[in-house]
Amino acid sequence: GENVEQHPSTLSVQEGDSAVIKCTYSDSASNYFPWYKQELGKGPQLIIDIRSNVGEKKDQRIAVTLNKTAKHFSLHITETQPEDSAVYFCAANDYKLSFGAGTTVTVRA
Amino acid sequence: GAVVSQHPSRVICKSGTSVKIECRSLDFQATTMFWYRQFPKQSLMLMATSNEGSKATYEQGVEKDKFLINHASLTLSTLTVTSAHPEDSSFYICSAREDNHQPQHFGDGTRLSIL
Repeated sequence: GENVEQHPSTLSVQEGDSAVIKCTYSDSASNYFPWYKQELGKGPQLIIDIRSNVGEKKDQRIAVTLNKTAKHFSLHITETQPEDSAVYFCAANDYKLSFGAGTTVTVRA
Repeated sequence: GAVVSQHPSRVICKSGTSVKIECRSLDFQATTMFWYRQFPKQSLMLMATSNEGSKATYEQGVEKDKFLINHASLTLSTLTVTSAHPEDSSFYICSAREDNHQPQHFGDGTRLSIL
């Protein structure tokens, strides 16, 4: 099955700086890569996703890049704000998602 | 955007009780729903996948007689934790997807505490 590794496990950034989270996957057949944000006591919320036929996708301050050859994908958050503080999960596959371990992002005001 | 509603948000009950959790897709028809379990500070662990009108597919190690899943309509799936014990205490989260080409959308989870 698919194995997704996510780094770092925790990330602290100053407000206004950028945050980058990286994930690798093992199954070359995986073709869908969503990112979820989970706030305390709530379910994960889809923030951006990318399919394997695209190398990069951007939505305002959030961007995701995908390198199929290296089997890794990354989440980039620019101009971070305190409300970006949460746990972020990457995932891979299509029918059944395999999740990374999560990254706790803290944005310092 | 797509909305998935999960109810109840929190349950506290005695050991031996059976607990039912509902998951509804409010603005789309979900051909597939998923049930996850999440322990504190950990990732989501898939328990089972259910397709409307058919039996759920359980992940390895998940007892199907313990965690009963029903997906009777395109907008509702239920998870029943039968004869719950303290070790079943956890955060249970459902997700729903309209079809294979659409993303999964998650409910806000149910915090289950068994005394």
